[in-house]
Amino acid sequence: GENVGLHLPTLSVQEGDNSIINCAYSNSASDYFIWYKQESGKGPQFIIDIRSNMDKRQGQRVTVLLNKTVKHLSLQIAATQPGDSAVYFCATEGNNDMRFGAGTRLTVKP
Amino acid sequence: GAVVSQHPSWVICKSGTSVKIECRSLDFQATTMFWYRQFPKQSLMLMATSNEGSKATYEQGVEKDKFLINHASLTLSTLTVTSAHPEDSSFYICSAADRPYEQYFGPGTRLTVT
Repeated sequence: GENVGLHLPTLSVQEGDNSIINCAYSNSASDYFIWYKQESGKGPQFIIDIRSNMDKRQGQRVTVLLNKTVKHLSLQIAATQPGDSAVYFCATEGNNDMRFGAGTRLTVKP
Repeated sequence: GAVVSQHPSWVICKSGTSVKIECRSLDFQATTMFWYRQFPKQSLMLMATSNEGSKATYEQGVEKDKFLINHASLTLSTLTVTSAHPEDSSFYICSAADRPYEQYFGPGTRLTVT
């Protein structure tokens, strides 16, 4: 699959606010979507996933929204905390092809 | 469950030497393992996919003779960076999967080539 190294966009939010991180994908065959969190110097951690037969899924403080029409995925974090500061990646899988989004660096200001 | 380890967690080597990185699935059998590299402030880049007992499939632009991957068992895959150069300095991450769609990531290995 294609993976292009890109400089990461950043999002800065105030502690307690909600965060929304977006991801656009291009593979029409994608049927499984994952959000990962990566703290500095560590490997990615699974946050939440969603399959293509759903458009919304909620976890603890996180919600993933999927819009297959426009190939867009978002991660919403409620009541963002300093510990949420990290880089967030989306990943899409389909037809044995997996791709990562560029990632967004979330910084939470106390 | 679903723990993946990498060893070493960081390594410094001299230019021209080779470095081996191990990726182990500790509590499950991984039929497929993936190797990624990550440059600072950039996304993960898939290098290769390996299935136990068969040759790895490399992504376009990744030199298979430079990045040797061996997936000898269902719990171990190794990545050897041969004749390392400073531009190979990066964060290398493996992931392991025992079924489609479920990848578990290792903690990563920081390679610095001097």
